[in-house]
Amino acid sequence: GAVVSQHPSRVICKSGTSVKIECRSLDFQATTMFWYRQFPKQSLMLMATSNEGSKATYEQGVEKDKFLINHASLTLSTLTVTSAHPEDSSFYICSARPQGAYGYTFGSGTRLTVV
Amino acid sequence: KQEVTQIPAALSVPEGENLVLNCSFTDSAIYNLQWFRQDPGKGLTSLLLIQSSQREQTSGRLNASLDKSSGRSTLYIAASQPGDSATYLCAVSPGRGSRLTFGEGTQLTVNP
Repeated sequence: GAVVSQHPSRVICKSGTSVKIECRSLDFQATTMFWYRQFPKQSLMLMATSNEGSKATYEQGVEKDKFLINHASLTLSTLTVTSAHPEDSSFYICSARPQGAYGYTFGSGTRLTVV
Repeated sequence: KQEVTQIPAALSVPEGENLVLNCSFTDSAIYNLQWFRQDPGKGLTSLLLIQSSQREQTSGRLNASLDKSSGRSTLYIAASQPGDSATYLCAVSPGRGSRLTFGEGTQLTVNP
């Protein structure tokens, strides 16, 4: 089946530094990928929609200058958390819909801890 | 704005029980509904997807039903096992390729 690979699975960084998270569709092309954030004991909240070759669409309240999204190819989208702060600590997860499929496939997620 | 609610928030049952997880949504204009499983610290695994024109889908011990007009879906798990312990999330989409709106999830614990 369709696989979405997400790396790293876990990262700890110092406050003020930037962290890049990669999301790859391994066996299909994804013109659109979605980035979600999940706080402990809460559900997934959509942060932004990543579109190949164009600017991402951010949800209300999500700072586009802080969460930089790049979707430079049909199989790779990246989320960069810039100048990370402890409140950015969360579980970040991406998803994509394989062509011809009705449902979505999710990556394994990235646990970000900012210290 | 679509809102998705899942009841109960948590459920603990002994092994072997049949159980039902509930999902309701406020806007019935959905394209499909998807049930996911999430293990602690992990990503989401798709369990079942129901198109808006369908009433149910089955996979092994899992059966999901959809009543679009009333805004409800149920996930039925037969003969539960400890390995079924996880958080179960339902999500709806208004169109093909459109964003998903998730419920808060039901945390299931199956005790041996």
